[in-house]
Formats: sequence, structure tokens, C-alpha cells
Amino acid sequence: GAVVSQHPSWVICKSGTSVKIECRSLDFQATTMFWYRQFPKQSLMLMATSNEGSKATYEQGVEKDKFLINHASLTLSTLTVTSAHPEDSSFYICSALPRKTLPEQYFGPGTRLTVT
Amino acid sequence: AQTVTQSQPEMSVQEAETVTLSCTYDTSENNYYLFWYKQPPSRQMILVIRQEAYKQQNATENRFSVNFQKAAKSFSLKISDSQLGDTAMYFCAFMNPKGAGNMLTFGGGTRLMVKP
Repeated sequence: GAVVSQHPSWVICKSGTSVKIECRSLDFQATTMFWYRQFPKQSLMLMATSNEGSKATYEQGVEKDKFLINHASLTLSTLTVTSAHPEDSSFYICSALPRKTLPEQYFGPGTRLTVT
Repeated sequence: AQTVTQSQPEMSVQEAETVTLSCTYDTSENNYYLFWYKQPPSRQMILVIRQEAYKQQNATENRFSVNFQKAAKSFSLKISDSQLGDTAMYFCAFMNPKGAGNMLTFGGGTRLMVKP
């Protein structure tokens, strides 16, 4: 149990275009989902916290207009990178916090984004 | 704000031997959770072990155990009988359940190489 999926697992897009990444909790409901960014050989950096039915909370330095997060249901959160630039190329990971249990977060397998 | 420090960027160990990864943290909270996550080359984050701060007994999961020193704010991970599959990045993480969104604060990571 407690499986989180991400789609796509990797994506290549051109500069100026937008790309959407989906994060789904497959066998549990998640009131809260988190989006992280990870550069090569570095730790995970929290970008934003997403609560179902409300606006995401962004960490300092993360552009909310560039990284649009939507948590439309208890099993789905999406991250849209708008007007992508090469510097947005990174590994993006989501995690989900089950509604009834604390405190473990379950992580998706990540999405590798390359902007050309 | 909480901080988590992993002072060993890289470590290596011979197969079947024991290795200890260090982690220190800073917090003014009394009740919190600590975690060790493993990130193998696949980059899927895997929970290794969890410790509740109110529990004095050190957590153990098969070959993995922790040495939790609350007063010293230290949380080291011991891997016994190291296996080749233990080769991975290891991240120490802190969670304050009273904090906003139950977010995780990660350390910088330790790259562990298990040598045959």
C-alpha cells in the first residue's frame, strides 16, 4: 500500500512552452501533497505544499506564477511549469501525506524535466 | 527554523561490514519525528527508519538501527552487514508535527558506496 505515482517519468520540452506533471496517490487519500526539486547530487528542496481544495503554499524564492500547483482532489496534485527555461531543467519529486496517518510522507518516483 | 546537518558527504564500506552515518539537527521543539530516507540510483525515495522524539528506545528495522541522542540533537544511522544494494544516497530528515503542513526538512545527504 501507500503508492504514489508521477507522470510523466521524464519529459523534454522547448523553451517557452509549458509542461504539466501529475502526482497521484493510488491507494490512499492525501490531504497534503508536497513538491520538491532536486539538482544532481544535491538534497531535496521543498518548492510548495499543496492542500486539497485550497491554494498551495510556496517556499521563499519559488515563483508561484511559474510553478502552478493544483490539488483538485484527494488523490491528485499537478505541477505546471509555465514558460519553461533551460534553468528549470531538474528532477521534480512529489510526496503525499495520508489523511489518517502521520507522519510518513510517501514519495513518487520523480519526473526528470529537460528544457531545450 | 529547523536545520538538519549531515557532515559526511561521502562514505564507503566493505560488504558485510558495519557503517554509521551521522546526522545532527537543531530545533527548539520537544516533540518531533526524525527519519532516514534512502535514494538509490533509481532516485525513488525509500523510508528506511523513523524515530519519534518522545520515545527513548532507539528504532530498529532489520539491519538498520539508529542512535538517537535527544539532548545532543543527534540521530545517526547504523547499517549492519552492509549489502551491495545499500549503495545509495541517504538523507536524514526532520518533521515538526505542529509545524505548517507537516513538512520535512532534509539534510544535505550522504553518498554511501558499498564495496564488494
